[in-house]
Amino acid sequence: QSVLTQPPSASGTPGQRVTISCSGSSSKIGSNIVNWYQQLPGTAPKLLIYSNNQRPSGVPDRFSGSKSGTSASLAISGLQSEDEADYYCAAWDDSLNGVLFGGGTKLTVL
Amino acid sequence: QVQLVESGGGVVQPGRSLRLSCSASGFTFSAYAIHWVRQAPGKGLEWVAVISFDGINKYYADSVKGRFTVSRDNSKGTLFIQMISLRAEDTAVYYCARDSGKFGWGYFDYWGQGTLVTVSS
Repeated sequence: QSVLTQPPSASGTPGQRVTISCSGSSSKIGSNIVNWYQQLPGTAPKLLIYSNNQRPSGVPDRFSGSKSGTSASLAISGLQSEDEADYYCAAWDDSLNGVLFGGGTKLTVL
Repeated sequence: QVQLVESGGGVVQPGRSLRLSCSASGFTFSAYAIHWVRQAPGKGLEWVAVISFDGINKYYADSVKGRFTVSRDNSKGTLFIQMISLRAEDTAVYYCARDSGKFGWGYFDYWGQGTLVTVSS
C-alpha cells in the first residue's frame, strides 16, 4: 500500500479538464518536491511534471502541477484521447531515505 | 541523446541470483545519481534503489534491503544491481532511471525501456 495516496481512476471527455490528486505527509510531500510521471500503455514511464509545477521541454502546457502543504495535484486541460495513460506522483521520503510513488491513477478518455 | 538500456533479465528460480545492467550513453554518466524502479505485472511503480554519482551513497527500499546491491562503473558508463535470494514477489520489469542531480533526491528525467525478471520454479 502506497503512502502517497492517489485515486485509482479518473475519467473525462475530450476537451474537459481533469485533476488527479496526490496526498502524503510532512516527511514526504510536505518537505520535498513532487514529480509526476505519465506511463502510456506498454511503454516506460516518462517525466511529465517536475519540482511541483515545472514542465520539461516537449510537454504540452495542457499539463500543470501544483502543491499545497502535504497535497499535490496534476491538472490536464483540453483532454485528448492520447492522454489516456497511468499517472504517478512521486516524492523523496526523508524518513525512509528513498523515493515514494503514489499508487497510480488510470486516466480514461471517454 | 540520453539513452539508458537495461539488460540481464530472464527467468530465475526462487532463491537464486541475477545481475541486471544498465548501459548509459549521451551524457556524463559520472555526474548523475541513477535509480532502479520496478513494476510488477499489472501493478504500479515501486522504487528499488539509488546510487549517488560517485557510488558512495546507496539507498534501498525495505523490500530489497539486504538482498539487492547496487553498484556502478563510471569508467564504463554502466550501472548494476545484484539480486540474491530472489522471491516470486520480485517478478517485475526493472527500469533504470537517471536522477536530475548527484545524490538521488531529484526527479527521474530519463528512463530505460526496462528488462523483465521472472522468478518462478
